[in-house]
Amino acid sequence: AQSVTQLDSHVSVSEGTPVLLRCNYSSSYSPSLFWYVQHPNKGLQLLLKYTSAATLVKGINGFEAEFKKSETSFHLTKPSAHMSDAAEYFCVVGKGGSQGNLIFGKGTKLSVKP
Amino acid sequence: DSGVTQTPKHLITATGQRVTLRCSPRSGDLSVYWYQQSLDQGLQFLIQYYNGEERAKGNILERFSAQQFPDLHSELNLSSLELGDSALYFCASSVGVASGGQETQYFGPGTRLLVL
Repeated sequence: AQSVTQLDSHVSVSEGTPVLLRCNYSSSYSPSLFWYVQHPNKGLQLLLKYTSAATLVKGINGFEAEFKKSETSFHLTKPSAHMSDAAEYFCVVGKGGSQGNLIFGKGTKLSVKP
Repeated sequence: DSGVTQTPKHLITATGQRVTLRCSPRSGDLSVYWYQQSLDQGLQFLIQYYNGEERAKGNILERFSAQQFPDLHSELNLSSLELGDSALYFCASSVGVASGGQETQYFGPGTRLLVL
């Protein structure tokens, strides 16, 4: 069965410093992995998506994630945090098989200090 | 803006009542998904429709039901509401039904339901 574990419920960084949001996945086959962001009182926006074409995936707003099969990880990074990055981030895996729904991690709340 | 619309944005109702949430997918998308986001359960998949037919079921209660109409919009019906049903309900859509959850799902802004 597919699952994702977000290792930190809350991450706090200073503006201009790097961001690292950690995610481990479990899947019985090559998974589809996603990162979504949810700003306060907003819907979910897709940041990036991995589907085995390339292990380093670039997303919107300067975010990227690296798929590491040996470590079953899909960590999200950004070189320099901006105040507008403050939000909740969800690591997501596709359920697989004939079903197309998504399985969400519990989320990591990112705070950015000025 | 994802192109997925949901109405209403907010809904306040009483226990025991019934409500209907509406979702219009992106133009051209045939699949619609419903998710529930609550503080204790996080984001959970409820149900998926593809071109009018139920495709997959998740943690959806028997008091809840959904359908997708010929124009592809979808409605989620919640009945005999309980306090614990208070949550944010998201609709998402995707182009079709690829295997393995590979398709990108685009989410609407959600409907916030408060049951008093």
